[in-house]
Amino acid sequence: DTEVTQTPKHLVMGMTNKKSLKCEQHMGHRAMYWYKQKAKKPPELMFVYSYEKLSINESVPSRFSPECPNSSLLNLHLHALQPEDSALYLCASSRGGTPKGEPQHFGDGTRLSIL
Amino acid sequence: AQTVTQSQPEMSVQEAETVTLSCTYDTSESDYYLFWYKQPPSRQMILVIRQEAYKQQNATENRFSVNFQKAAKSFSLKISDSQLGDAAMYFCAYRSAGEGAGSYQLTFGKGTKLSVIP
Repeated sequence: DTEVTQTPKHLVMGMTNKKSLKCEQHMGHRAMYWYKQKAKKPPELMFVYSYEKLSINESVPSRFSPECPNSSLLNLHLHALQPEDSALYLCASSRGGTPKGEPQHFGDGTRLSIL
Repeated sequence: AQTVTQSQPEMSVQEAETVTLSCTYDTSESDYYLFWYKQPPSRQMILVIRQEAYKQQNATENRFSVNFQKAAKSFSLKISDSQLGDAAMYFCAYRSAGEGAGSYQLTFGKGTKLSVIP
């Protein structure tokens, strides 16, 4: 069983829809991440939150809006997405604000399809 | 910027045999961390093994071990007694040990797809 829980597991949405992806962890981790992964490619970092504050935004388009309401929860709000945004979205967490050698723990991901 | 290279897009191994996946990296840093992650078709990225660059001893986790050659910037993964459940995509990853934003970044290789033949 994964310790990082992502919902939903699958999401199909139109380009005009608004939806949200949710990620939850109860390991006491203070760093949380969003990644985008296309088929047969490695994950690409999108955002990093450290102690509930946005630390890294890897020049992600504004149609992706992250939110960290508390230390256990991370959301990714989606609006006006494009077909090329179809991908697997992975959430991860790690201990501490500066993770250094601490490994990231990943969720199962949300498979997103844009019609 | 750091780069990670996995030169074997696909590999296969007979069940119960041993296989080695290669990974090389390029960095100007002296302190960093290296990881191997496994991603089966179920999608979850699972940490297999971790190596701290300042430790000369190669990391080992049960049937998984690494051959870390710091001077050669090489970090290969050896899987002994391969099992059907080992079939997955394997990613090698690098992380800086610095204090800045770079310490959050995991630089991944392109991955090696491992098949296990019964």
